[in-house]
Amino acid sequence: KNEVEQSPQNLTAQEGEFITINCSYSVGISALHWLQQHPGGGIVSLFMLSSGKKKHGRLIATINIQEKHSSLHITASHPRDSAVYICAVLADKLIFGTGTRLQVFP
Amino acid sequence: EAQVTQNPRYLITVTGKKLTVTCSQNMNHEYMSWYRQDPGLGLRQIYYSMNVEVTDKGDVPEGYKVSRKEKRNFPLILESPSPNQTSLYFCASKLGLAGEFVEFFGPGTRLTVL
Repeated sequence: KNEVEQSPQNLTAQEGEFITINCSYSVGISALHWLQQHPGGGIVSLFMLSSGKKKHGRLIATINIQEKHSSLHITASHPRDSAVYICAVLADKLIFGTGTRLQVFP
Repeated sequence: EAQVTQNPRYLITVTGKKLTVTCSQNMNHEYMSWYRQDPGLGLRQIYYSMNVEVTDKGDVPEGYKVSRKEKRNFPLILESPSPNQTSLYFCASKLGLAGEFVEFFGPGTRLTVL
């Protein structure tokens, strides 16, 4: 079993929909990162969380340390949000999930 | 502009022909690492470096070498590439090892070994 599990693996949405991507982990962590990988391959860091909730524009990330679970929400989704979203947790090393591929259609 | 650069971006080579993928960052970061990304497996760390002349193995170091002679550069060396090293490679850097530091990724190098 992977130490970091993401769901769903693939997600399609219509423009304007509210999106939720989930990340569950089985190890003790000091931080959790959400990354975005563009269709061209480039990776950017969206959030780093160690507790609570963070918001940046239409993106919201939450973490529940007791339940070992994090969610990434996208409000009013747009086709330019189409990307792979990767959850990574920092335990004794950085452990990556396999990603959630999101496609938003106009 | 703060960035991590990698070269080349795309490379097709043959088994056994030594190659080097360069990585450079202009943010004075101490921590640098190399990852490979394969379908269904996610990103896996190859090697990392916590500072100049300090390198250590990640999860999948076999078949790779690295060096850290200067703070800004962290090249990845494949002495004798094999087809199972065909992958998408990312270099990354961050200010330090602690979890609160955000990791900056290079644009990726797509390597094909025939």
